[in-house]
Amino acid sequence: QKEVEQDPGPLSVPEGAIVSLNCTYSNSAFQYFMWYRQYSRKGPELLMYTYSSGNKEDGRFTAQVDKSSKYISLFIRDSQPSDSATYLCAMSRGGSEKLVFGKGTKLTVNP
Amino acid sequence: DAGVIQSPRHEVTEMGQEVTLRCKPISGHNSLFWYRQTMMRGLELLIYFNNNVPIDDSGMPEDRFSAKMPNASFSTLKIQPSEPRDSAVYFCASSLRDTNQPQHFGDGTRLSIL
Repeated sequence: QKEVEQDPGPLSVPEGAIVSLNCTYSNSAFQYFMWYRQYSRKGPELLMYTYSSGNKEDGRFTAQVDKSSKYISLFIRDSQPSDSATYLCAMSRGGSEKLVFGKGTKLTVNP
Repeated sequence: DAGVIQSPRHEVTEMGQEVTLRCKPISGHNSLFWYRQTMMRGLELLIYFNNNVPIDDSGMPEDRFSAKMPNASFSTLKIQPSEPRDSAVYFCASSLRDTNQPQHFGDGTRLSIL
């Protein structure tokens, strides 16, 4: 079993839809949880960063962490064509430690 | 603000050649990470440094790979000799240790070994 599992998709939605992305993990030592967005031929760009369990909201994006279920989610409201990218979940034991990534979910938002 | 800078952006070379990838972290950051991204395995850590000292190199695939960080503003990842299976995108990331701040990535080096 991989430490972090993420459905690779692809996921295709119409503009304006609510998008739900998620990851599961097996290592209970993970404390920091991140979502990165990666456009084609670019590096991962940090989208959301949370510590331990709970929710965090930033504009159209909401990140949720449920440590009891070892499950994290990213919700995108009112999705836009510019949201089309690959979304990577990542997590670490400490704030300055190595990240363990999911394989990414490719999202396409159709106008 | 300048982000993480990697060079070259693209490298195409023949099997057996030496390849050197370069990274300049964000000024003031003291943790530096090298990752490799492939379709099959996704993004995986190769090695990381804190204050220029290698901390975890367990992801380095074999002795053909080596990494150095001679000072706080420069790191190299070297592959010698290169093989076709080394073809991947190599990313460098940096962060400020002990602040729990996230890692910031460069745009990567796309490496093709023929």
